[in-house]
Amino acid sequence: QKEVEQDPGPLSVPEGAIVSLNCTYSNSAFQYFMWYRQYSRKGPELLMYTYSSGNKEDGRFTAQVDKSSKYISLFIRDSQPSDSATYLCAMPGNTPLVFGKGTRLSVIA
Amino acid sequence: DTGVSQNPRHKITKRGQNVTFRCDPISEHNRLYWYRQTLGQGPEFLTYFQNEAQLEKSRLLSDRFSAERPKGSFSTLEIQRTEQGDSAMYLCASSFNNEQFFGPGTRLTVL
Repeated sequence: QKEVEQDPGPLSVPEGAIVSLNCTYSNSAFQYFMWYRQYSRKGPELLMYTYSSGNKEDGRFTAQVDKSSKYISLFIRDSQPSDSATYLCAMPGNTPLVFGKGTRLSVIA
Repeated sequence: DTGVSQNPRHKITKRGQNVTFRCDPISEHNRLYWYRQTLGQGPEFLTYFQNEAQLEKSRLLSDRFSAERPKGSFSTLEIQRTEQGDSAMYLCASSFNNEQFFGPGTRLTVL
């Protein structure tokens, strides 16, 4: 079992939809959780960074962490075509990040 | 632009040749990381530096790969005797704390 599991999609939604992206992890030592957005042929861009269980909101984006279930989510409200990208969850191992495979999202206008 | 920069952005080489990539981190970031990403996968850790010290190397980093960060600023990643399986995006990231910021990557194609 990989340390971080993420459904690779692809996920296709209409503009304005609420998007839910999820990851599960196996290592209970993970304390920090990150979401990166990666546009095609670009480097990953840090989107959200959370430490504790619960929700963290930033504009249209909400990150949710459930440490008891080892489950994290990223919600995108009022999705836009510009949100079309691959979304990667990541967790610091000792120091390097351990990434999920990424979920490819397409928002259709 | 004060972000992480990488050069070259693209490299096409023939099998067996040596290639070298450069990464310039965000200034004052003491940690620098190298990752490799293949199509449909998340980035996979290769190695990282704290200042000029190379603190960890992944088992993915075969003896054909070497990385340096001589003055604790920019870093180079060299691949000797390239193989077709080395074709990938090579990503550099830097950090001061837990938040890692990535460069645009160097896309390597080995023919």
